[in-house]
Amino acid sequence: DAGVIQSPRHEVTEMGQEVTLRCKPISGHNSLFWYRQTMMRGLELLIYFNNNVPIDDSGMPEDRFSAKMPNASFSTLKIQPSEPRDSAVYFCASSFAIPHTDTQYFGPGTRLTVL
Amino acid sequence: RKEVEQDPGPFNVPEGATVAFNCTYSNSASQSFFWYRQDCRKEPKLLMSVYSSGNEDGRFTAQLNRASQYISLLIRDSKLSDSATYLCVPSHALNFGKGTSLLVTP
Repeated sequence: DAGVIQSPRHEVTEMGQEVTLRCKPISGHNSLFWYRQTMMRGLELLIYFNNNVPIDDSGMPEDRFSAKMPNASFSTLKIQPSEPRDSAVYFCASSFAIPHTDTQYFGPGTRLTVL
Repeated sequence: RKEVEQDPGPFNVPEGATVAFNCTYSNSASQSFFWYRQDCRKEPKLLMSVYSSGNEDGRFTAQLNRASQYISLLIRDSKLSDSATYLCVPSHALNFGKGTSLLVTP
């Protein structure tokens, strides 16, 4: 299995630009998670989906962030407009079951720099 | 209140030493836990699951103290390759926090 796939691996953009991060979960997994990691705040959950439905988006910082999961094999996280404080590593993870019972498998992350 | 609290470290230990760090949790109903390991500039990966009082896997031992609401990770005979950040998370929680940084030196 290829594992969780994320693209791009690195993104450098200017403040105000739209940024779209992409994730392909492991085939057969029905839960998908988006995380943001910074030195200051650690690894924070932004949103998670179960069977393509958003279950908890309380971690989404503000309206500039949006996430979609149009099908079981693809999800996007969009930031519009981006700001320098959005600079972080964004991880996507998937698991076979609901989070309470199963291991999460993380993708390699997207390192975002907003200038 | 945060779901878990960990000493961020860094813990600097010589190769071959035994090192332990704790993770305290706030929800007394937490039943199971995970320890993840994250290497520098890499993604977190599962190290160990803890579903009862503890778990052991080679040089790694996790122990759960429900009365005091903490889970510990013990690493024996530490190797240079153990240098990483260790993150604990209750199975019901999804915020990992900052973890504990371990540096094993020659």
